[in-house]
Amino acid sequence: SYILTQSPSVSVAPGKTAGITCGGNNIGTKSVHWYQQKPGQAPLLVVYDDSDRPSGIPERFSGSKSGNSATLTISRVEAGDEADYYCQVWDESSDQVVFGGGTKLTVL
Amino acid sequence: QVQLVQSGAEMKKPGASMKVSCKASGYTFTDYYIHWVRQAPGQGLKWMGWINPKSGGTDYPQRFHGRVTMTRDTSISTAYMELSRLTSDDTAVYFCARGGLRFGELLQFDRWGQGTLVAVSS
Repeated sequence: SYILTQSPSVSVAPGKTAGITCGGNNIGTKSVHWYQQKPGQAPLLVVYDDSDRPSGIPERFSGSKSGNSATLTISRVEAGDEADYYCQVWDESSDQVVFGGGTKLTVL
Repeated sequence: QVQLVQSGAEMKKPGASMKVSCKASGYTFTDYYIHWVRQAPGQGLKWMGWINPKSGGTDYPQRFHGRVTMTRDTSISTAYMELSRLTSDDTAVYFCARGGLRFGELLQFDRWGQGTLVAVSS
């Protein structure tokens, strides 16, 4: 089955830029979506189709892809961005939805 | 506004079944798939499958085959997920989420229910 790999944790100082990566075989051929989940809350879609933002999501959140990795970039990080972030794709070959293991973003 | 409202927390004994509901409002229920995702304590998100509210068609990953059943009642815009033969490993928060379909490709989950905690313990 298809696997998405994320680093367990990322730390960043307020005002700086955080990058959260998601690796997967041939990820370049798939649409990557990113979710933010704060403790006790449901996930929130922050980026879809690699780099599009839903309405209401700040421009500080952006997505990109290169090679076998996708990256969620959060610019000018704020304390309120502290959360778990998950990448997700649909794997056509297995017809399954796959989530990465999640990355905990800590704002120092 | 689009909302998915789930049923309340449950406690179950091992071997029992659970059934969680997800009531949709603010959009045409049959225009989007409903997916189910679960999250064990301290763990990540695991996809459990989808139901097409228009046709009633479903798809489940192999690990849940034979234990999960997804249904819907279009008259009340509500989807249901039933999981049988529960074990302590099924203790988790269960989420429903709305997702689209584009030329056969499953799309992102743009709205989520609030989650339902199901605890399985003897």
